[in-house]
Amino acid sequence: EDQVTQSPEALRLQEGESSSLNCSYTVSGLRGLFWYRQDPGKGPEFLFTLYSAGEEKEKERLKATLTKKESFLHITAPKPEDSATYLCAVNSGGGADGLTFGKGTHLIIQP
Amino acid sequence: DAGVIQSPRHEVTEMGQEVTLRCKPISGHNSLFWYRQTMMRGLELLIYFNNNVPIDDSGMPEDRFSAKMPNASFSTLKIQPSEPRDSAVYFCASSLVLLGSPLHFGNGTRLTVT
Repeated sequence: EDQVTQSPEALRLQEGESSSLNCSYTVSGLRGLFWYRQDPGKGPEFLFTLYSAGEEKEKERLKATLTKKESFLHITAPKPEDSATYLCAVNSGGGADGLTFGKGTHLIIQP
Repeated sequence: DAGVIQSPRHEVTEMGQEVTLRCKPISGHNSLFWYRQTMMRGLELLIYFNNNVPIDDSGMPEDRFSAKMPNASFSTLKIQPSEPRDSAVYFCASSLVLLGSPLHFGNGTRLTVT
């Protein structure tokens, strides 16, 4: 059974204070690792897909990286509008086509 | 593109009543997924369809839950009878049947069963 564990559960940063969110996974065969952002009252919004160890993707202040066991979402010089819950999910070859999600990291950026 | 459209946005009902949640996927997408989100369990996959055919419903918690996709542009999730423990946010998502294709989510239906 695929498992995804995210840490920390919650993180409070000052504006401009860079940090990283962790996503550890156990799957039978990784077909893709996904990062989503979820704002209150909204559905998850797709950010990145990573396919193989060593791959990196960037979007504005966010950079996602992937190893064989975990992924990191690096946030550089965050702004208050980056406050959200960040979800990690995996799609594995041995499971359903749907994604298995972690419980997310609730990120708060204080001005 | 209008994105995935779900209705209603909020539903409050009494225990024992039937509840029907509705979803219109993104045009051209051929996979559709129903998820449930709670604080305790996070996002859980309930069922998914490929080309309108149910592929895996192993996540459906009980026989009280059923889902249909009569055509490529419409799906329903029905709970009958509803119970307080069914209270959650229910999301519909759609995607293309391609390796690594991301899921695109609607804004969910918040269900409260009293």
